[in-house]
Amino acid sequence: DIQMTQSPSSLSASVGDRVTITCRASQSVTRFLNWYQHKPGEAPKLLISAASTLQTGVPSRFSGSGSGTDFTLTISSLQREDFAIYYCQQTHGSPPTFGPGTKVEIK
Amino acid sequence: QVQLQESGPGLVKPSETLSLTCTVSGGSLNNYYWSWIRQPPGKGLEWIGHIYSSGSPSYNPSLKSRVTISGDTSKNQFSLELTSVTATDAAVYFCARHLRFYSSGWSYAFDIWGQGRVVIVSS
Repeated sequence: DIQMTQSPSSLSASVGDRVTITCRASQSVTRFLNWYQHKPGEAPKLLISAASTLQTGVPSRFSGSGSGTDFTLTISSLQREDFAIYYCQQTHGSPPTFGPGTKVEIK
Repeated sequence: QVQLQESGPGLVKPSETLSLTCTVSGGSLNNYYWSWIRQPPGKGLEWIGHIYSSGSPSYNPSLKSRVTISGDTSKNQFSLELTSVTATDAAVYFCARHLRFYSSGWSYAFDIWGQGRVVIVSS
């Protein structure tokens, strides 16, 4: 299985801050990398597919980049509703695997 | 819009079979892939397996010997059965729909998820 890691595992930030989350794969996943946002008690939400394609309805403050083994999710100006856990997921190999998550908390 | 809802027992005894159903509303089971994913307490997300419409299941090798995923297009539902459960199978179980797309090759993401069903394993 392709192993996914994320850093940091958690971070504290203020509204308006720029936040960057890193995801690394144990082998190349080309650009088959998705990002999800998950708030407790809610359904996870797909934010970005194929490393950088923003899903319809997702605010433009979210962006993704990377290819191969190294990827980033950036929130350009953190809003209150962005406090959540963020997961990366690779779909290059089978089974698809997720990163352990990055918890974004209010400072 | 399409919504998914997991249902089934929230408590299962050790060694018994966990059975969950995902009901698709606002859309059809046909012509889509559908997955089950779980998240044990304090741990990450694990893909369990998927089904295409109501057939062609595929499973995570780590669970393959104990998992069955099936679909019923007449009811717009798909189901998960996990046999011989132990405490390590306690988790929030999610169902999700695949969004397939082409980006230098065919790939997919889980674009619609249910809210999840908490399953406890205890006697």
